[in-house]
Amino acid sequence: DQQVKQNSPSLSVQEGRISILNCDYTNSMFDYFLWYKKYPAEGPTFLISISSIKDKNEDGRFTVFLNKSAKHLSLHIVPSQPGDSAVYFCAASASEEGTYKYIFGTGTRLKVLA
Amino acid sequence: NAGVMQNPRHLVRRRGQEARLRCSPMKGHSHVYWYRQLPEEGLKFMVYLQKENIIDESGMPKERFSAEFPKEGPSILRIQQVVRGDSAAYFCASSPWTARMNTEAFFGQGTRLTVV
Repeated sequence: DQQVKQNSPSLSVQEGRISILNCDYTNSMFDYFLWYKKYPAEGPTFLISISSIKDKNEDGRFTVFLNKSAKHLSLHIVPSQPGDSAVYFCAASASEEGTYKYIFGTGTRLKVLA
Repeated sequence: NAGVMQNPRHLVRRRGQEARLRCSPMKGHSHVYWYRQLPEEGLKFMVYLQKENIIDESGMPKERFSAEFPKEGPSILRIQQVVRGDSAAYFCASSPWTARMNTEAFFGQGTRLTVV
């Protein structure tokens, strides 16, 4: 079963506009969430994270929002730049389950158009 | 501080051979994770290890796959008697131990395994 879901396989956004990438999860034990960016033929690069005790975390152009009641998180990129074009993965972990593995979604391919 | 190092970057094996993938975590990191990415798919968790200890191997196939993280040296993911379906990109990640235990993991560049 897919505990972390990214239902939009792709997204196209004009340069300078906002990109919103969404992620849903089913496991209520998840208490830490992360976003990674991945270019072709490279490993994923950590972008930003959020703990379940918060509902927002901001780092420069990147903001992650967490809605625990809806089991939903989103990544906002403002303003979007062509270099942001990549595959974005959300991931989650559950510290109470005794294992700190990260469960990943299937990714959303973002294309920022110049 | 070097990042997570994986080698080889590319590995070609014939069906039935063994594949060994190596991962050296970042300095000071004691946790290693292995993930597999099949073409056009996401990252699938395989195994989570600490030094000399397998913590969670719930994502490992029951046969032919094994992993270790010895006291000295890199972590090794071993695939015996490879089949075409094992062709994928294998990523290793590492994270430090923290009392809080919520911390990000850092990934290597991956090993692309091709079985011919």
